[in-house]
Amino acid sequence: ETGVTQTPRHLVMGMTNKKSLKCEQHLGHNAMYWYKQSAKKPLELMFVYSLEERVENNSVPSRFSPECPNSSHLFLHLHTLQPEDSALYLCASSQGQGYDTQYFGPGTRLTVL
Amino acid sequence: SQQGEEDPQALSIQEGENATMNCSYKTSINNLQWYRQNSGRGLVHLILIRSNEREKHSGRLRVTLDTSKKSSSLLITASRAADTASYFCASNTGKLIFGQGTTLQVKP
Repeated sequence: ETGVTQTPRHLVMGMTNKKSLKCEQHLGHNAMYWYKQSAKKPLELMFVYSLEERVENNSVPSRFSPECPNSSHLFLHLHTLQPEDSALYLCASSQGQGYDTQYFGPGTRLTVL
Repeated sequence: SQQGEEDPQALSIQEGENATMNCSYKTSINNLQWYRQNSGRGLVHLILIRSNEREKHSGRLRVTLDTSKKSSSLLITASRAADTASYFCASNTGKLIFGQGTTLQVKP
């Protein structure tokens, strides 16, 4: 248990669906991250939020839309996804935005049909 | 090659043996971190070594850093079946860049 929770743990959706992934951290951290982990590829950073402001967006398609309503919660809204978006989506948090020790949630396994 | 590449990609050993994984990176770093991931789960931070450090220990883990060669190694001593997992290095260059990982299997 790292203090970072993610829901749902598994999600199957069609290409026309809209769904949201939720992440919550109980560590009092100031920065939160979304990562995508696909088979046989390195972990890809998608978004970074520091003190609820987006500070990084790594050329992620607009069908992924992040939201950070407060420093403890992070959402990833999904719409019109493609089958190649199937992956493990990991949320992480850290004390500061300096990319020191990151605490990861268990991930959401997403399958797009 | 990519920043933060691990070698070997896969490693299979017997319980009790030592496991060594290597990581290479390309640009200057603030620190280098090692993470562990059990199948289908999130990553767990193992150890962080700063650019001015050469060696660090944590329990059965020993990490070395050679900034002149831009490389790091993770040694797990007296391995256990429960150490079976994927291990990733992540180089902090102002961003955290992960390698593709080493899959370690420890046979009982």
